[in-house]
Amino acid sequence: EPEVTQTPSHQVTQMGQEVILRCVPISNHLYFYWYRQILGQKVEFLVSFYNNEISEKSEIFDDQFSVERPDGSNFTLKIRSTKLEDSAMYFCASSEVFAGGTDTQYFGPGTRLTVL
Amino acid sequence: ILNVEQSPQSLHVQEGDSTNFTCSFPSSNFYALHWYRWETAKSPEALFVMTLNGDEKKKGRISATLNTKEGYSYLYIKGSQPEDSATYLCARNTGGFKTIFGAGTRLFVKA
Repeated sequence: EPEVTQTPSHQVTQMGQEVILRCVPISNHLYFYWYRQILGQKVEFLVSFYNNEISEKSEIFDDQFSVERPDGSNFTLKIRSTKLEDSAMYFCASSEVFAGGTDTQYFGPGTRLTVL
Repeated sequence: ILNVEQSPQSLHVQEGDSTNFTCSFPSSNFYALHWYRWETAKSPEALFVMTLNGDEKKKGRISATLNTKEGYSYLYIKGSQPEDSATYLCARNTGGFKTIFGAGTRLFVKA
């Protein structure tokens, strides 16, 4: 069964460093998402991406964050200058269609980012 | 931001027990409600998406109901098994791309 994959599973970085989190969505999916979950808190929507552009972003997704689909298969989340509060589990998700919020999203297993 | 609340936060049941938990959400601007099952160290897995008031969905021993007028959904598990142990998340959508999640109910099923 096709699945969303994410690499690495765990990333440790120093504050101020740039990190890139990678995702490979399901191959025929067109809509891509990033979420995060800070330890002990709710899963939070960060951004959605379609047709090579951001379709919606949350207030969390500030100028420090960017997303890209560099080669037609990978979907990346870049954090330019990490802060301690960026430590979280980051989930990628993809969906085949966008049905106004009724579409099924398929999640990857997450990347745990630890900022020291 | 309109909050989604889930209760209880955690639940311990014996194998064979039936159980249920609640997701509450603002009833205004409702479009869809999603339920996910999330086992430790795995990806959250979609269970149901529900849109209409009175919707009932079923998948094996798991079922869900939806009341959009009063803003709640129930998830039921009949005859819980140890493999049902997971966190159950609900998430609300108002028609755009953004999904708002509850904190989840962590279910422990003891054999």
